[in-house]
Amino acid sequence: EAGVTQFPSHSVIEKGQTVTLRCDPISGHDNLYWYRRVMGKEIKFLLHFVKESKQDESGMPNNRFLAERTGGTYSTLKVQPAELEDSGVYFCASSQEQVRGPDTQYFGPGTRLTVL
Amino acid sequence: AQKVTQAQTEISVVEKEDVTLDCVYETRDTTYYLFWYKQPPSGELVFLIRRNSFDEQNEISGRYSWNFQKSTSSFNFTITASQVVDSAVYFCALSLPTSGTYKYIFGTGTRLKVLA
Repeated sequence: EAGVTQFPSHSVIEKGQTVTLRCDPISGHDNLYWYRRVMGKEIKFLLHFVKESKQDESGMPNNRFLAERTGGTYSTLKVQPAELEDSGVYFCASSQEQVRGPDTQYFGPGTRLTVL
Repeated sequence: AQKVTQAQTEISVVEKEDVTLDCVYETRDTTYYLFWYKQPPSGELVFLIRRNSFDEQNEISGRYSWNFQKSTSSFNFTITASQVVDSAVYFCALSLPTSGTYKYIFGTGTRLKVLA
């Protein structure tokens, strides 16, 4: 079974440009999470989808970030316009339906975003 | 406030030594879940263990063992007879039902270097 995949693995862009990150969760996983790790700090939650609905987007830094999950399959995270402080590694994770307690989240390899 | 502290930023050991990675968590919730993940050089977060707050039994899996102590709010991870392949960044995480989404609260990670 394929794991969580993310594309691209690396992205280097200029300040003010737009970047779109993609995440393909494990097939059949309803829950999809985005996290971000800024250099040397903890991995922080950005948002959570259940199928195509945003369940919690309390971690999104500001309105320059837009996440979508059309059809409840893959998800995209767009940063427009990018700022220097957006640099970091963006992780995607997916889990199955959560009935009694959290199901384990399975993470992708991350997208390393560098904004110059 | 909910928080996870991994005070050890980096640990270096010689192969075959035992090593313990510390994880201290903070929450007022009585029901919570704790996780450990390994991040090898390839970048993805690999699930190691999940523990709920009602199960204080220690767990052993091969060379890995976990010591969960509610009295000290700790969930420490020990690698016995470390190997070079254990070199990675290890993350401890907390998940709370009251969050509504079971999003993870991560520590800053501990980088383990096992020297041959």
